[in-house]
Amino acid sequence: DGGITQSPKYLFRKEGQNVTLSCEQNLNHDAMYWYRQDPGQGLRLIYYSQIVNDFQKGDIAEGYSVSREKKESFPLTVTSAQKNPTAFYLCASSQAGGPSYIQYFGAGTRLSVL
Amino acid sequence: GQQVMQIPQYQHVQEGEDFTTYCNSSTTLSNIQWYKQRPGGHPVFLIQLVKSGEVKKQKRLTFQFGEAKKNSSLHITATQTTDVGTYFCAGFGGGSNYKLTFGKGTLLTVNP
Repeated sequence: DGGITQSPKYLFRKEGQNVTLSCEQNLNHDAMYWYRQDPGQGLRLIYYSQIVNDFQKGDIAEGYSVSREKKESFPLTVTSAQKNPTAFYLCASSQAGGPSYIQYFGAGTRLSVL
Repeated sequence: GQQVMQIPQYQHVQEGEDFTTYCNSSTTLSNIQWYKQRPGGHPVFLIQLVKSGEVKKQKRLTFQFGEAKKNSSLHITATQTTDVGTYFCAGFGGGSNYKLTFGKGTLLTVNP
């Protein structure tokens, strides 16, 4: 069953804690993305990666970090420096090259602060 | 940087009425894509427009790409309750910049 798997579905963060959101894809896509969604704000790009061991900052990268050690995996760490982490986080992938970059999204992780 | 503006932010209609959402980009786009997100769900790709002036239809949905490739619209004819959700446009600038710029979306609610 091909697709993008995000885990956990819900996550709670304590003050001063780093938390890591998982994103795995078996679509053999080269590019992967992390978005943050707040009500009325649409999708804002946090980080993106086109190849293994390379990634770029998006529009709101402060307080977040990523790694891309494997093609299938693109975990996102929400660090304690992110003062307002409560949001819906979406991971996406796309096939690099060509005119498209059509995005396939995971089911998302809802992060809340305790 | 590239910006994509989408209006309206919200639209409430009676079932059977038509609905339109509009997107405008600050720069010329290589293509524009449309996504639908159902309440509590994740965005799902609907369609991609590439050519200047392109018009595509999916049943009751009509998508248009402007002649200058800077604006686009999605029109739904005779809305149904199954159309409820947030519709996003996303512009791709092309070249080596492989990220999309999403509009803020239009939330459509339909009164049965």
